[in-house]
Amino acid sequence: GAGVSQSPSNKVTEKGKDVELRCDPISGHTALYWYRQSLGQGLEFLIYFQGNSAPDKSGLPSDRFSAERTGGSVSTLTIQRTQQEDSAVYLCASSWGGTGGKGSPLHFGNGTRLTVT
Amino acid sequence: KQEVTQIPAALSVPEGENLVLNCSFTDSAIYNLQWFRQDPGKGLTSLLLIQSSQREQTSGRLNASLDKSSGRSTLYIAASQPGDSATYLCAVGGGSYIPTFGRGTSLIVHP
Repeated sequence: GAGVSQSPSNKVTEKGKDVELRCDPISGHTALYWYRQSLGQGLEFLIYFQGNSAPDKSGLPSDRFSAERTGGSVSTLTIQRTQQEDSAVYLCASSWGGTGGKGSPLHFGNGTRLTVT
Repeated sequence: KQEVTQIPAALSVPEGENLVLNCSFTDSAIYNLQWFRQDPGKGLTSLLLIQSSQREQTSGRLNASLDKSSGRSTLYIAASQPGDSATYLCAVGGGSYIPTFGRGTSLIVHP
């Protein structure tokens, strides 16, 4: 597709269950970002990928959160043993992150709305 | 650590007014600044990207300016319309590759 695709668009899960959120970036974009947006809050950075490696995982809120990226394309954010405070919209963005790519724009998906009951 | 502040946090105006939204940042060593709009329940849509070497960018009724030395950017919306109602966010890109976002300005344009 032409844009960043995220699935599912909505996810309701019970406290304690694991969830996987998927992001398909724009083809050719080497940089991929995960952000979290809680109700009424700003965007909280979670993790950044350059290709398949994650040079910056500093935003992951706890060891229950992990992410991987395979083939320099699709990324999966996994939350284990979900808690109610994990309820938020999880947004994925990609950009062309090659040499000089620090000036390239971010393109966002529509997000996954996660509700933990 | 880069900090980004957006003022005002919320704005309600009648249709037709010209608007200025402000974004300020603490570290002037930036690569670019990007303005987004976010509609309720949606992701972010890119509006304008200003590279650090540029002073402004224009798209239709939107004009964004950048003053690195003073750590400020403004988004000017001309002749506002109800369809402009959304939250507007700015994001500052720096050497760490991790863009830093402001909290946004929530705009309501009423007929």
